Amino acid sequence: DVKVTQSSRYLVKRTGEKVFLECVQDMDHENMFWYRQDPGLGLRLIYFSYDVKMKEKGDIPEGYSVSREKKERFSLILESASTNQTSMYLCASRPGTGVYEQYFGPGTRLTVT
Amino acid sequence: QKEVEQNSGPLSVPEGAIASLNCTYSDRGSQSFFWYRQYSGKSPELIMFIYSNGDKEDGRFTAQLNKASQYVSLLIRDSQPSDSATYLCAFRTGNQFYFGTGTSLTVIP
Repeated sequence: DVKVTQSSRYLVKRTGEKVFLECVQDMDHENMFWYRQDPGLGLRLIYFSYDVKMKEKGDIPEGYSVSREKKERFSLILESASTNQTSMYLCASRPGTGVYEQYFGPGTRLTVT
Repeated sequence: QKEVEQNSGPLSVPEGAIASLNCTYSDRGSQSFFWYRQYSGKSPELIMFIYSNGDKEDGRFTAQLNKASQYVSLLIRDSQPSDSATYLCAFRTGNQFYFGTGTSLTVIP
């Protein structure tokens, strides 16, 4: 079974703090993704990575950065957290080719106060 | 802008009935289509994917794809209370996935 894990299920941070969200997958997948999910807005892509050290901006990259130093790990960084970044953050991974679906991690509920 | 449109619901059906969920997409270059189920507070889990026109059946679930109409649907037969969840439609173009906002389904015992 594919396993995607995220470092925290719940996180509370203060405005202006630097926040790191970690995601690890154990299936040697090339592609990894970070989404945020908000009521009424659905899943919105922040960044994705198709290989180590490679990244592409998604639909809403502002205020975020990412790091992928190893194939199995994809980190999302909030440089200076703001209250409008309060959300559910979901990491996903998939193989690089084919019709394969994305496999999601359990999610991190981030609250910025 | 690539878009996925879903009726947000809520959709309510009695136990044992057929639930019908619909989705339209904007990108004619879309290569494959996915239905995910998401329980409250949980992450999405895949139910089915389809990439050829027509129907694909898996147990109580049938996905239907019509590329000419840019339309994909999910039928759930013999609906159970455990099917109560939000259903997300998604399509893939290249390495990117595009998700709808989801349809909330409630199956009434």
